[in-house]
Amino acid sequence: DIQVTQSPSTLSASVGDRVTITCRASETIGDWLAWYQQKPGKAPKLLMHLGSRLQSGVPSRFSGSRSGTEFTLTISSLQPDDFATYYCQQYKLYATFGQGTRVEIK
Amino acid sequence: QVQLQESGPGLVKPSETLSLTCSVFSDSLGRYFWSWVRQPAGKELEWIGRVHPNGATHYNPSFASRITVSVETSKNQFSLKLTSVTAADTAIYYCARGFESGATVLDQWGQGTLVTVSS
Repeated sequence: DIQVTQSPSTLSASVGDRVTITCRASETIGDWLAWYQQKPGKAPKLLMHLGSRLQSGVPSRFSGSRSGTEFTLTISSLQPDDFATYYCQQYKLYATFGQGTRVEIK
Repeated sequence: QVQLQESGPGLVKPSETLSLTCSVFSDSLGRYFWSWVRQPAGKELEWIGRVHPNGATHYNPSFASRITVSVETSKNQFSLKLTSVTAADTAIYYCARGFESGATVLDQWGQGTLVTVSS
């Protein structure tokens, strides 16, 4: 099984902050990683796939990158609508989700 | 825009079978893999399995002995059956659409349905 380890589990930040979330895969997965945003009581929303390819309609303040088996989701300037939980997901072999990172208001 | 809607019992007794159906609106099942994902309260997402209208299925090994995912193209629906449930199977269950390429990237989701396992 391919595991993905996400950190931190919780992140406190203010509007306008630059925020970074990390996801590390247990083995090489190339760029086969997606990021989702989930708000309370709602289904997840796909933000990007292939590590950095934004879905249509996702603001450009969201970006993704990879270094080896470590992936990063960056929000360049946190907006009120961005307070949510974020999940990474590998899809090299079916699907495994990370543990989630809750972005809360500082 | 495609819409997905889960349906099924909200309460299942321990040792019985959980059965859910996902209805797909405004799109055909034909080109995609269709997945089930669950989320226990306050916990992370867990992919369960997927089905293609051609009958191909892939399951999370953690569930493989207990699940069946099937498709009914005439009704534009797909289904999940999970046998021998326990309290650990209590969760919100989502159905979702995967990319046309076959990758398990889930770009459209149902709203989710809460299933509680309890006697």
